[in-house]
Amino acid sequence: GAGVSQSPRYKVAKRGQDVALRCDPISGHVSLFWYQQALGQGPEFLTYFQNEAQLDKSGLPSDRFFAERPEGSVSTLKIQRTQQEDSAVYLCASSLMTGGEQFFGPGTRLTVL
Amino acid sequence: GESVGLHLPTLSVQEGDNSIINCAYSNSASDYFIWYKQESGKGPQFIIDIRSNMDKRQGQRVTVLLNKTVKHLSLQIAATQPGDSAVYFCAEKASGTYKYIFGTGTRLKVLA
Repeated sequence: GAGVSQSPRYKVAKRGQDVALRCDPISGHVSLFWYQQALGQGPEFLTYFQNEAQLDKSGLPSDRFFAERPEGSVSTLKIQRTQQEDSAVYLCASSLMTGGEQFFGPGTRLTVL
Repeated sequence: GESVGLHLPTLSVQEGDNSIINCAYSNSASDYFIWYKQESGKGPQFIIDIRSNMDKRQGQRVTVLLNKTVKHLSLQIAATQPGDSAVYFCAEKASGTYKYIFGTGTRLKVLA
């Protein structure tokens, strides 16, 4: 069956541009996570959704970062006015239930010039 | 492919030997721990997990050991194979929270 997919796989943005990163979780998965992974580091938690409810957004680095999952399936991570320090791989993961095994997508590599 | 980590601690082992990867976790309130494997250009892949009411759990060729006294977690891989070459991360989560905290990772290189 299909796993978690993310698009685009690669995104190059000029500093100051807005970007939108998409995550398609495994069908039926209740939980959805976004992580930011800098080169040479482990993933850092950004935010968590249970269905359409965003239950934890404590990891979002600034108010330039916004995530949504309006229908409880597809999720979008939006970054406004991108900065060079936003360059990283953005990973999405989903799990069937809260606390269940997370399945990760391949990530979107964002490069801000 | 892309490198998931250029300056990570590296463990080099001979094919067929056993590997032990260590992790020190930070939060004494964490009660759930997971090991992930990440290959270049891919997202992390679940290997094995353990809850704080256990100190050892075994899977296929892998064993996780948990020492809550010193907040230490280890992953043992038996008969290491070339396909085991990757970066390995531990992650922790505290009860009642949704946030998973990942460690910095260890690169495992399997020498033929």
